[in-house]
Amino acid sequence: DAGVIQSPRHEVTEMGQEVTLRCKPISGHDYLFWYRQTMMRGLELLIYFNNNVPIDDSGMPEDRFSAKMPNASFSTLKIQPSEPRDSAVYFCASSFAGQGNQPQHFGDGTRLSIL
Amino acid sequence: AQSVTQLDSHVSVSEGTPVLLRCNYSSSYSPSLFWYVQHPNKGLQLLLKYTSAATLVKGINGFEAEFKKSETSFHLTKPSAHMSDAAEYFCVVSDWDSSYKLIFGSGTRLLVRP
Repeated sequence: DAGVIQSPRHEVTEMGQEVTLRCKPISGHDYLFWYRQTMMRGLELLIYFNNNVPIDDSGMPEDRFSAKMPNASFSTLKIQPSEPRDSAVYFCASSFAGQGNQPQHFGDGTRLSIL
Repeated sequence: AQSVTQLDSHVSVSEGTPVLLRCNYSSSYSPSLFWYVQHPNKGLQLLLKYTSAATLVKGINGFEAEFKKSETSFHLTKPSAHMSDAAEYFCVVSDWDSSYKLIFGSGTRLLVRP
């Protein structure tokens, strides 16, 4: 089975540029999560979707960040304009609610460097 | 509110010796608990999960964890460490209040000496 697929794996761009991170969740999963990981702050939940609808975006740092899920098999996280402090590894995860609490399955992440 | 505390930021063991990574949780409900492992430049991989069935949970790669409600603990163990076990390990509790959000511990980095 294909896992969660994220692209690109690495992104290096200059401050002020728009950055778009992409995620394909596992087929059949109805929850999708975006996380950010840094040395200083660890893993932070940015936003999550249920059935393509954003449920909680309280972790999104500021208006420069936006996320969409146009269909069940694709989501994007956009940063515009980007700043050096946005440098981090961004993870996408998906899960299937089913009966009880199911684990989240993570992609390999996008390592973002803003110069 | 639920929370999880990993008691050691770093653990160092020799190859072939037992591993113990400690985790305590706080939960108002019957919790779901997970251990994830993260190897360098990789995403988090599920090792095992506890969801109110057996208190001793077996996971992948020889790891297991025991849920102890009286001690609010969910420690991760392995009888014999392998070099490939060197990674960061996260203890995680599920937040039933907020629809499947995960609450992560701060992580324990496991070093395995030859």
